[in-house]
Amino acid sequence: GESVGLHLPTLSVQEGDNSIINCAYSNSASDYFIWYKQESGKGPQFIIDIRSNMDKRQGQRVTVLLNKTVKHLSLQIAATQPGDSAVYFCAENIKGWGAQKLVFGQGTRLTINP
Amino acid sequence: DTAVSQTPKYLVTQMGNDKSIKCEQNLGHDTMYWYKQDSKKFLKIMFSYNNKELIINETVPNRFSPKSPDKAHLNLHINSLELGDSAVYFCASSQASSTTKGQFFGPGTRLTVL
Repeated sequence: GESVGLHLPTLSVQEGDNSIINCAYSNSASDYFIWYKQESGKGPQFIIDIRSNMDKRQGQRVTVLLNKTVKHLSLQIAATQPGDSAVYFCAENIKGWGAQKLVFGQGTRLTINP
Repeated sequence: DTAVSQTPKYLVTQMGNDKSIKCEQNLGHDTMYWYKQDSKKFLKIMFSYNNKELIINETVPNRFSPKSPDKAHLNLHINSLELGDSAVYFCASSQASSTTKGQFFGPGTRLTVL
């Protein structure tokens, strides 16, 4: 299944299936993008990042795709597990600051059904 | 453990009171941040300090005053608390010269104003 972000939609998938979480970002000058995972009662945790000069990056069971033409970012999670249940946020880094200035998307709640 | 820590974890107080939230990071980072997460999970940056200097100050009421005694600590003081201040506040840190791995977040402080 897949979901479009920005209004905290909910995505439910069966354990073992693949999931795709989508995000639209706002600033065409953003140079760096990050996906975070937030479990209940915890702070956001880094999952994977991608620079604007790339269109795909893979990690362990996760892949991030970047389409700069339409300002779209997606996170693919393969073979989902119960521990993947969380809220997922995309974040874009706004250039021009002395440090990272991250603007977060609204988030998507992913629920893994056993 | 290397981490970003915040105290207290929970804070319940009456309207009009003044309260502080403390944040410490032992990651050796030079930049720290405060974020506010509302009831809809929307995460927004409030402040950022780099080497004790304020570099990001979003449109936050001046009842909120960050203080950075050294680059490992960033505290948030809130005067005259209002109902709308109820939220989860996250501290984060990063290394300004590093453009990977994003920001490391603390566990959050849930503030409830009655």
